[in-house]
Amino acid sequence: QKEVEQNSGPLSVPEGAIASLNCTYSDRGSQSFFWYRQYSGKSPELIMFIYSNGDKEDGRFTAQLNKASQYVSLLIRDSQPSDSATYLCAVKSSGDKLTFGTGTRLAVRP
Amino acid sequence: EAGVVQSPRYKIIEKKQPVAFWCNPISGHNTLYWYLQNLGQGPELLIRYENEEAVDDSQLPKDRFSAERLKGVDSTLKIQPAELGDSAVYLCASSRGTSGVPFFGPGTRLTVL
Repeated sequence: QKEVEQNSGPLSVPEGAIASLNCTYSDRGSQSFFWYRQYSGKSPELIMFIYSNGDKEDGRFTAQLNKASQYVSLLIRDSQPSDSATYLCAVKSSGDKLTFGTGTRLAVRP
Repeated sequence: EAGVVQSPRYKIIEKKQPVAFWCNPISGHNTLYWYLQNLGQGPELLIRYENEEAVDDSQLPKDRFSAERLKGVDSTLKIQPAELGDSAVYLCASSRGTSGVPFFGPGTRLTVL
């Protein structure tokens, strides 16, 4: 089992729709969870981080964490073509190691 | 606040040649990471520093890779000799402590011919 798993996609949504990106992790002791956006040819850019169970909202983005299910998700409301990118889930394990998933490619259709 | 600085941005070398990458973290960030990212994959940790101490280098191929962070600020990652399979993007990130949020530099794209 991979430490951090994501569906590679592509996830295709129409403009204005909600995009839902999912991530599961294996280390139950993980404490910190991050979502990064990566445009082609660019480096990862932090979108959100979450530490506690529940939802955390920032503008059009909502991160959701369920530690019991070892599941973290990112919702993007009112998706725009400019949101088209690869979204990387990163998990900081109990040993402070930051591990990334392979990323989910999101395509927002105009 | 300036971001993480990396140089060079691009490097093309022949196999068996040495290469070095430099990283200057965000001011005040004592945790520094070097990651390797292959096309279509997520970043993979090579080494993590807390100040000048390498606290996790378990994924660093020590036969050809080396890294240093002598004064706990700038860091250099070296490959000697480079192999074709080392072609990738080398990313540096920094955070304020292990519990801080990591921010990435622009990366160095290495091509080994």
